[in-house]
Amino acid sequence: NAGVTQTPKFQVLKTGQSMTLQCAQDMNHEYMSWYRQDPGMGLRLIHYSVGAGITDQGEVPNGYNVSRSTTEDFPLRLLSAAPSQTSVYFCASSPDGYGYTFGSGTRLTVV
Amino acid sequence: GQNIDQPTEMTATEGAIVQINCTYQTSGFNGLFWYQQHAGEAPTFLSYNVLDGLEEKGRFSSFLSRSKGYSYLLLKELQMKDSASYLCAVRQTNAGKSTFGDGTTLTVKP
Repeated sequence: NAGVTQTPKFQVLKTGQSMTLQCAQDMNHEYMSWYRQDPGMGLRLIHYSVGAGITDQGEVPNGYNVSRSTTEDFPLRLLSAAPSQTSVYFCASSPDGYGYTFGSGTRLTVV
Repeated sequence: GQNIDQPTEMTATEGAIVQINCTYQTSGFNGLFWYQQHAGEAPTFLSYNVLDGLEEKGRFSSFLSRSKGYSYLLLKELQMKDSASYLCAVRQTNAGKSTFGDGTTLTVKP
């Protein structure tokens, strides 16, 4: 099992560009979440999903969209990148909303 | 709203015991997690408490008091590899949502 796979691992964007961060899990987990982590801080929830076709907003959803068309995939789309979105992005999955397995992260810099 | 407080930094000596505290105020509570995060890596799950009391897992134990909004993570027989950030997270009534504290950076010295 690969677990939770995030791509790309590193990305540099120019202000105003859009892009999609990919997240895939092969554990048949229903629950998936996207977090961002800024230096010296904890994780802040962006969006989450409790199953295919179901998504909802977390604490900091503005500027981001998600979709969950399959159980395996949960992509995060940045609509128009801003320097404030420079961060490390983690995708996580869980079978039941309890202990989550995290991906290795995407380090995004917006210039 | 959610409010989770942890000390920012702690230092301890190899072989010793350290207790990392977490206090929380939340509008909906359905359990508390502890995660370990080494620098530059992803968080890894350590423990989950939903009932009051102590849960022990090897060198790590986690305690919860729901009435006091308080938890702690106890690390025994500290090793150098335990140097990491420890994140406290509250699982909300909506099972898909967990709110994280800012983490406690633990440095273990020889």
